[in-house]
Amino acid sequence: DAGVIQSPRHEVTEMGQEVTLRCKPISGHNSLFWYRQTMMRGLELLIYFNNNVPIDDSGMPEDRFSAKMPNASFSTLKIQPSEPRDSAVYFCASTPTRQETQYFGPGTRLLVL
Amino acid sequence: KNEVEQSPQNLTAQEGEFITINCSYSVGISALHWLQQHPGGGIVSLFMLSSGKKKHGRLIATINIQEKHSSLHITASHPRDSAVYICAVRSGTDKLIFGTGTRLQVFP
Repeated sequence: DAGVIQSPRHEVTEMGQEVTLRCKPISGHNSLFWYRQTMMRGLELLIYFNNNVPIDDSGMPEDRFSAKMPNASFSTLKIQPSEPRDSAVYFCASTPTRQETQYFGPGTRLLVL
Repeated sequence: KNEVEQSPQNLTAQEGEFITINCSYSVGISALHWLQQHPGGGIVSLFMLSSGKKKHGRLIATINIQEKHSSLHITASHPRDSAVYICAVRSGTDKLIFGTGTRLQVFP
């Protein structure tokens, strides 16, 4: 299995632009998590899905952030409009169920200028 | 005060030394994870445990639920063990709460 796939791996954009991060979980995994990592705050859970349904989005910073999971093999995290403080590494992870070990993608390094 | 505290924040060791990283938490949990983040940024899950002890190769993780404390031990450390080790606890809501990590450097 290829593992969790994220794209793009790096993204540089200007403030105000829309950014879309993509994630393909491991086939057969039912839960998907989006995390953000910054130097100041470390790793933080943004949102997670179980069977394509958002379960907890309390970590989503504000209305500029949105996440979707239209099917079991694809999820997006969108930031619109982006701001410099959104610069971070965004990780996606998946698990067979909520209760099991999480498999992390390689992350998307986002820089908003 | 953070809900998950790790110590030490930074750790250096000589190759072959026995290493211990500690994690204390203040919330009720259903499980505790130890993660390893390599210098390149990739994150690997090492252990998930809810009681007792688990061992994988040179790595051992223990947890004491009553004391709300977990330790990660590395025996016969090697330079390739150099990484950031992150403790995370899963609360009753299934959310993972992360510690700030312990940066380990093992020198030859």
